[in-house]
Amino acid sequence: EIVLTQSPGTLSLSPGERATLSCRASQSVSSSYLAWYQQKPGQAPRLLIYGASSRATGIPDRFSGSGSGTDFTLTISRLEPEDFAVYYCQQCGSSPYTFGQGTKLEIK
Amino acid sequence: EVQLLESGGGLIQPGGSLRLSCAASGFTFSSNTMSWVRQAPGKGLEWVSTISGSGGSTYFADSVKGRFTISRDNSKNTLYLQMNSLRAEDTALYYCARGGRGQTFDYWGQAALVTVSS
Repeated sequence: EIVLTQSPGTLSLSPGERATLSCRASQSVSSSYLAWYQQKPGQAPRLLIYGASSRATGIPDRFSGSGSGTDFTLTISRLEPEDFAVYYCQQCGSSPYTFGQGTKLEIK
Repeated sequence: EVQLLESGGGLIQPGGSLRLSCAASGFTFSSNTMSWVRQAPGKGLEWVSTISGSGGSTYFADSVKGRFTISRDNSKNTLYLQMNSLRAEDTALYYCARGGRGQTFDYWGQAALVTVSS
């Protein structure tokens, strides 16, 4: 099983700032199968990034993904008020399709 | 518009059984893999199970293997999760999700709540 470790657990930033979220895998993950999701309280998760760096339909270009192998990053270039949420990475290349434990992005 | 609507959740005693359904619309159901993902109260996301578009291939998390069964009826555009031998640790919101590019989950339902308690 591929274990995904996200850091930091909580990130406190202000609107307009840049956010950098990390996802580290216990073994190499094909870039084709690394995804990022956003979840707000009381809502279902929303797909942000697939294939490590491709934005899903309707996702603003302030969201970007990068990385390969065991280290992946989600960057939000300038935080908007609606971006404060929990973010999960997921590897979907080999079963079990594991998620990271999440990073909570909160308003400072 | 893609829509996924879960049903069948509820309160069940430990050791009991429950079947969740997910009614899909707005896309060609048989063309996509479908999955179940759960979220225990206040916790993160846990992948549970995935089924191929034809239903011929299924995959399960170790935590539910041998207790849960995933199936689909492509004529009814409906996904199912049969849950047997339920435990307290199965208490969670259960989301159905559509398989998208790169085997990601590109659309999610609003979840069904399953509570296992005596």
